[in-house]
Amino acid sequence: SQQGEEDPQALSIQEGENATMNCSYKTSINNLQWYRQNSGRGLVHLILIRSNEREKHSGRLRVTLDTSKKSSSLLITASRAADTASYFCASLGSNYQLIWGAGTKLIIKP
Amino acid sequence: GAVVSQHPSWVICKSGTSVKIECRSLDFQATTMFWYRQFPKQSLMLMATSNEGSKATYEQGVEKDKFLINHASLTLSTLTVTSAHPEDSSFYICSATGPGTGWTEAFFGQGTRLTVV
Repeated sequence: SQQGEEDPQALSIQEGENATMNCSYKTSINNLQWYRQNSGRGLVHLILIRSNEREKHSGRLRVTLDTSKKSSSLLITASRAADTASYFCASLGSNYQLIWGAGTKLIIKP
Repeated sequence: GAVVSQHPSWVICKSGTSVKIECRSLDFQATTMFWYRQFPKQSLMLMATSNEGSKATYEQGVEKDKFLINHASLTLSTLTVTSAHPEDSSFYICSATGPGTGWTEAFFGQGTRLTVV
């Protein structure tokens, strides 16, 4: 499977600021999903956006999808120290396999 | 959302022994399960895809004789790491999908941290 790309690889911001992470993929998709992973722990599903959607919100999370550019972004508003984690995007292709981005390590400084 | 249970959460084994990891879908039929491996500070890497009742399809570079996958029922898949060595130490995660999820999402187990000493 081909791995997607995420940027930045690491992001460090002050608590209260907004954090934006980007994800690009290579093939046509059914949907794109964002996951969070705390150090050494399993994955937590955050939000799913379908290929016919352009924007989706969930609490402090906002996800956009641009299928023409094969890219997505995850915005976390009013960040908190507890948001410190690695964030991964995963695109679901036509064969129902998830293709993962490399992840963004987010550090929120108190 | 649907629930996938992975067991054990962590395991320490001696070099040369085999370890079995279970992945169960608790409330839906998982016709397809995926097994991933994650090295420290890296993303998940797909190891293999298994469809219920069929042989698993392994990604390039993954030794199928070393990582035995069984998906004999719609709710259970197992990954057996045979003759484990320290380089097999890693975080292993399964995910499951199927018609019950509308094929729109894969649900993940909690992961298994394997340490081979």
